[in-house]
Amino acid sequence: GAVVSQHPSRVICKSGTSVKIECRSLDFQATTMFWYRQFPKQSLMLMATSNEGSKATYEQGVEKDKFLINHASLTLSTLTVTSAHPEDSSFYICSALPPGQGGYNEQFFGPGTRLTVL
Amino acid sequence: GQQVMQIPQYQHVQEGEDFTTYCNSSTTLSNIQWYKQRPGGHPVFLIQLVKSGEVKKQKRLTFQFGEAKKNSSLHITATQTTDVGTYFCARNQGGKLIFGQGTELSVKP
Repeated sequence: GAVVSQHPSRVICKSGTSVKIECRSLDFQATTMFWYRQFPKQSLMLMATSNEGSKATYEQGVEKDKFLINHASLTLSTLTVTSAHPEDSSFYICSALPPGQGGYNEQFFGPGTRLTVL
Repeated sequence: GQQVMQIPQYQHVQEGEDFTTYCNSSTTLSNIQWYKQRPGGHPVFLIQLVKSGEVKKQKRLTFQFGEAKKNSSLHITATQTTDVGTYFCARNQGGKLIFGQGTELSVKP
């Protein structure tokens, strides 16, 4: 199957700092990527849809000024958590969607980034 | 989007026993996908169901989509310790996945 990477896999930062997470599709081009957040023992919650060359679409309740998304190329999307606070500590997972079929394809998930804000 | 309700939240079985997790929606689903997430890992796609009444099998796993396309189930026959993890159903809305709450399966050897 296709491979999606995420970097870093784990990050610990101080409250008030910003953290950038990268999501790359390694062997296919993804015009659309998705960002999810998962708290311990909970399900994945979609945060935003990242579209190459255009603005991201955020789900209700997700602050776009706090979670900055950039999809500058067909293989890279970045999520920046600005002014992080302890409540932002979570597991952030991206997925990449191969083109075609109106989005009803298998999605490929990155390995996730565990963010801990002290 | 409409939520997908998944039960049970946890299931503890003895190795060799069967396991089933269920997903229900109040509205008709165009499709449903199933994922497995190992502890500390990321979701891995298992299957997608599209047709009413569809049944698909992958070795010991059997996936069903209800006739009304409002419910789905995943059944594992004779569980093994390698089946440990959380199983999620998800409705796909043009690529956006709305996940169920997941069922965490533990298998006692």
